[in-house]
Amino acid sequence: LAKTTQPISMDSYEGQEVNITCSHNNIATNDYITWYQQFPSQGPRFIIQGYKTKVTNEVASLFIPADRKSSTLSLPRVSLSDTAVYYCLVGEGGANNLFFGTGTRLTVIP
Amino acid sequence: GAVVSQHPSWVICKSGTSVKIECRSLDFQATTMFWYRQFPKQSLMLMATSNEGSKATYEQGVEKDKFLINHASLTLSTLTVTSAHPEDSSFYICSARDWRGVFDEQFFGPGTRLTVL
Repeated sequence: LAKTTQPISMDSYEGQEVNITCSHNNIATNDYITWYQQFPSQGPRFIIQGYKTKVTNEVASLFIPADRKSSTLSLPRVSLSDTAVYYCLVGEGGANNLFFGTGTRLTVIP
Repeated sequence: GAVVSQHPSWVICKSGTSVKIECRSLDFQATTMFWYRQFPKQSLMLMATSNEGSKATYEQGVEKDKFLINHASLTLSTLTVTSAHPEDSSFYICSARDWRGVFDEQFFGPGTRLTVL
């Protein structure tokens, strides 16, 4: 299983763009990259998923370089409500054997 | 999107009693459900994978006789913590797998806070 490495914590001011990078050097050919958001005492919430290049949805963008050994979650213009823990996961098909790493605790400052 | 519910959302019990937690997929059928445990300030730890109609697959270090999992239907999986002790106090989260056309996705429940006195 591909192991992921993320920064433990990040701080950002409101309105700024936040980029969280995840390393997954052992990613396999069939693996997808998925990011989840978790608020205290709640279950994780799906943010975005991708396989290669760039994926964008209404809440975030995901940048994946050609070698797929890392990925960057980009949150545009964060607000206080984006304070949460963000997990990067790598797994086949996006649902098999999802192992959560340490995650990145993002704190948005007014 | 797909919705997964858990019941109860929190439970307090005495040491030695058993507690059952239900996980339901509300608008889709889930052949596979997963159970996680999360201690304060820590990440989620996968406990077991539950497949409808068959025995659950437990991760290394998880006692199958203590954490009984039953996946009796395509929309319901239950986790029973038997003879609970204070060290079992944790946040238990389930998820259900749904095919999204191109890839599978896990949808997570809101979690159940278990406190064992």
